[in-house]
Amino acid sequence: QVQLQESGPGLVKPSQTLSLTCTVSGGSISSGGYYWSWIRQHPGKGLEWIGYIYYSGSTYYNPSLKSRVTISVDTSKNQFSLKLSSVTAADTAVYYCARDGAAAGTIDYWGQGTLVTVSS
Amino acid sequence: DIVMTQTPLSSPVTLGQPASISCRSSQSLVHSDGNTYLSWLQQRPGQPPRLLIYKISNRFSGVPDRFSGSGAGTDFTLKISRVEAEDVGVYYCTQATQFPRTFGGGTKVEIK
Repeated sequence: QVQLQESGPGLVKPSQTLSLTCTVSGGSISSGGYYWSWIRQHPGKGLEWIGYIYYSGSTYYNPSLKSRVTISVDTSKNQFSLKLSSVTAADTAVYYCARDGAAAGTIDYWGQGTLVTVSS
Repeated sequence: DIVMTQTPLSSPVTLGQPASISCRSSQSLVHSDGNTYLSWLQQRPGQPPRLLIYKISNRFSGVPDRFSGSGAGTDFTLKISRVEAEDVGVYYCTQATQFPRTFGGGTKVEIK
């Protein structure tokens, strides 16, 4: 079974860049057929799709965040990463990495999530 | 973006009784390939979301058969035939027919 695990700083200062990494086990990012996603959830709120990447490096970002988001992949480490620049308190959220199946059009596996707080 | 609207916001249910959640999209979710990419997720307290149903009515691996999905076009429903204590949580619908993926606001299922 595929497992995903987020890692990265839990506290980021305003105007700095949030950086998270997702490590995938139980399956290879390079096998294709899936998009590797980042989704966030503001405290006590709903879900917001940030973007995803294919193993080839093709990326797709939510237009609402596109100017600040970069998602990259390292197939040798079976990891993918998120960078969100110029963060503010409004970016405080639980960040999830997940697998999005192209054929089924659904997110079938999620990481446990990591809380990132933006504060000085 | 497609707006996903869920009702009710909260659903208090007696154990063993059915529950029903509605999800309405601002545009048809029928993709040009003929599929409808509407899924349902469950988020138990303190847990990440978990996939229950995909493409309207397909149960994901390991999901109990008391969960069922139905609908077409812009109107969709998740039904729990007999609510159990472990079903407490927030349920979300999500669409992947049109970029970007969007989610409903969530429906909280709680025990009366």
